[in-house]
Amino acid sequence: GQNIDQPTEMTATEGAIVQINCTYQTSGFNGLFWYQQHAGEAPTFLSYNVLDGLEEKGRFSSFLSRSKGYSYLLLKELQMKDSASYLCVPMDSNYQLIWGAGTKLIIKP
Amino acid sequence: NAGVTQTPKFRILKIGQSMTLQCAQDMNHNYMYWYRQDPGMGLKLIYYSVGAGITDKGEVPNGYNVSRSTTEDFPLRLELAAPSQTSVYFCASSYGGESYEQYFGPGTRLTVT
Repeated sequence: GQNIDQPTEMTATEGAIVQINCTYQTSGFNGLFWYQQHAGEAPTFLSYNVLDGLEEKGRFSSFLSRSKGYSYLLLKELQMKDSASYLCVPMDSNYQLIWGAGTKLIIKP
Repeated sequence: NAGVTQTPKFRILKIGQSMTLQCAQDMNHNYMYWYRQDPGMGLKLIYYSVGAGITDKGEVPNGYNVSRSTTEDFPLRLELAAPSQTSVYFCASSYGGESYEQYFGPGTRLTVT
């Protein structure tokens, strides 16, 4: 079957760094997306990894290890507006995105 | 560019009524999708389309229908609304080919009572 495992909720402090881990199992693999979803809003695209390694984009970085079925999203210099859910979304062999419930990140002052 | 637009933003339906949720995109994307999201849950794919005239079922198609007569528009039809269809509905689009990231509309919040 297809499965995504992320922590349900994490708490971090403004200005700090947080790493959100994700393990996945899919029928084939064509890359992995990270999306951000603020409460009551639509998901917005953050990053896409298809090869192993780290992709950096401003304050956000995403890492992929295909052999381990593992990814993480690293958020630096946390701001209050980063309070949101973060969705680890692998793409299977049919190019379908597999959506889980994500990790709710709470930022405290 | 407006991106992906959805109407209406909110709707309350009575059991057994029907309605159409509208979705349009102006990015010339080939692929379009309809999802539903229940509170605290992940997105579930209802239907998708890889181009005008082509549609296919997703994970939860029962109680819904779609059509794709143009590249821009992808309406979702609910027939005989049921309380189980109370949800937030998101439409999304992607270019396809080498580019599969999906861009979402703002959503339609539907309540069936």
